[in-house]
Amino acid sequence: DTGVSQNPRHKITKRGQNVTFRCDPISEHNRLYWYRQTLGQGPEFLTYFQNEAQLEKSRLLSDRFSAERPKGSFSTLEIQRTEQGDSAMYLCASSLAALQEETQYFGPGTRLLVL
Amino acid sequence: AQSVTQLDSHVSVSEGTPVLLRCNYSSSYSPSLFWYVQHPNKGLQLLLKYTSAATLVKGINGFEAEFKKSETSFHLTKPSAHMSDAAEYFCVVSDRVNFNKFYFGSGTKLNVKP
Repeated sequence: DTGVSQNPRHKITKRGQNVTFRCDPISEHNRLYWYRQTLGQGPEFLTYFQNEAQLEKSRLLSDRFSAERPKGSFSTLEIQRTEQGDSAMYLCASSLAALQEETQYFGPGTRLLVL
Repeated sequence: AQSVTQLDSHVSVSEGTPVLLRCNYSSSYSPSLFWYVQHPNKGLQLLLKYTSAATLVKGINGFEAEFKKSETSFHLTKPSAHMSDAAEYFCVVSDRVNFNKFYFGSGTKLNVKP
C-alpha cells in the first residue's frame, strides 16, 4: 500500500502526559499537512510543510504543539502536557506541489483520547 | 477569504433513490473544489474534484457534482443510493494562492435506509 500512513491509530493518555504521532506521506509528495477533527466538525488545518520547511502554522497550534519533518519525508506531531480539549482525530495529508490542480491525500488518522 | 457551507448536517434517503448533498462556497479567487467521503474509522477518500475544466464533474462510485459559479454552489448528486454510501461527506474549497490550503465544510452525514 503506497498511501499515507499514520501511527498509532489510537492513543489514550492521561492529562499532562506528552504524546507523539507519526505520519508517513506518499513517497514522492513534497507537501505534508496536519489537521485536527473534532466530533461533528470538518477537519481544521493545523500546519503545513514543504519538504522539511514548516511554512505555516494555524493559531489553533498552541505552543504545546510542535511538528517536525526532519528529512522532508515522515513527520511527527507532538503534544506536550495534554489537556482534555486535545481529544480529537489528528489527520495527516500529503500532496505534490502543482501550479494548477493539487489534491491532498489523507491518512486514516490518529484518534487521541485524553483522560 | 475561502469558506464552505454544507447546508444539511444529516440527509436520509432510501436505497435506490437519488442523493443530493448541498454545498455553497465563498472564494476570493477561481476555486478548486473537492468532495471527500469518510466512512467510520476510515480516512478521507477523494470522491471528485473541480479545477476549472468541465463544470460537471464525475467521480467514483457513481457520484457527480456540478460547479455553478453564479450560485457559488457545488452540490453532490448520485442517481441511486446504495447502502454502502452511508458515510459522512465533506465539501472542500482550496485556496490555490495560499499553498492550496484546504477549507472544509462541517460535513453531511448520509443515512441510507433499506
